[in-house]
Amino acid sequence: DGGITQSPKYLFRKEGQNVTLSCEQNLNHDAMYWYRQDPGQGLRLIYYSQIVNDFQKGDIAEGYSVSREKKESFPLTVTSAQKNPTAFYLCASTGLNGFNEQFFGPGTRLTVL
Amino acid sequence: DAKTTQPNSMESNEEEPVHLPCNHSTISGTDYIHWYRQLPSQGPEYVIHGLTSNVNNRMASLAIAEDRKSSTLILHRATLRDAAVYYCILRDIANAGKSTFGDGTTLTVKP
Repeated sequence: DGGITQSPKYLFRKEGQNVTLSCEQNLNHDAMYWYRQDPGQGLRLIYYSQIVNDFQKGDIAEGYSVSREKKESFPLTVTSAQKNPTAFYLCASTGLNGFNEQFFGPGTRLTVL
Repeated sequence: DAKTTQPNSMESNEEEPVHLPCNHSTISGTDYIHWYRQLPSQGPEYVIHGLTSNVNNRMASLAIAEDRKSSTLILHRATLRDAAVYYCILRDIANAGKSTFGDGTTLTVKP
């Protein structure tokens, strides 16, 4: 089945540690996105990538980094510079024509202790 | 990025139609109107999208104002499974489909 996988579902880290969230898609989509969601709020765009080896900052990129070495993969690293990293993180993908629907992964809930 | 405005919450009775409004007065010519819905602790699910004309699919209908500054998602017969947070967003095809999510409308369906 085609889709987006995110791992792990739950992640706990100590304050000051970097952590990498995985996102893989087998939909042959060109564009991939990372969003952050805080309780009771909507999604905020962290980073997005249109093609391999290229990515752009979204609205809240500070304290995060990404890479896009393969079309299928778009990992997100939450660095120690992110002041309040505890949140629900969602990965999405879509075809290069941006008007198509976005497919979302199941999300990773990150808790920093 | 163009923003959208939605009511915080709405209620509906089961089996009745639901009209969820969305205002997007700063929409640009390259923005597509998309609707998604989200259950707690899950990723959003695509519902429907359109550009200028009204759209229908198996899940819902989308009515777009002639000036495109507002739209309405129509669920023809609400079921308990339709209870979710509904997001109206604008996707800019001139900018890799970059989109901004607001806080959405929480739809409660009463049996």
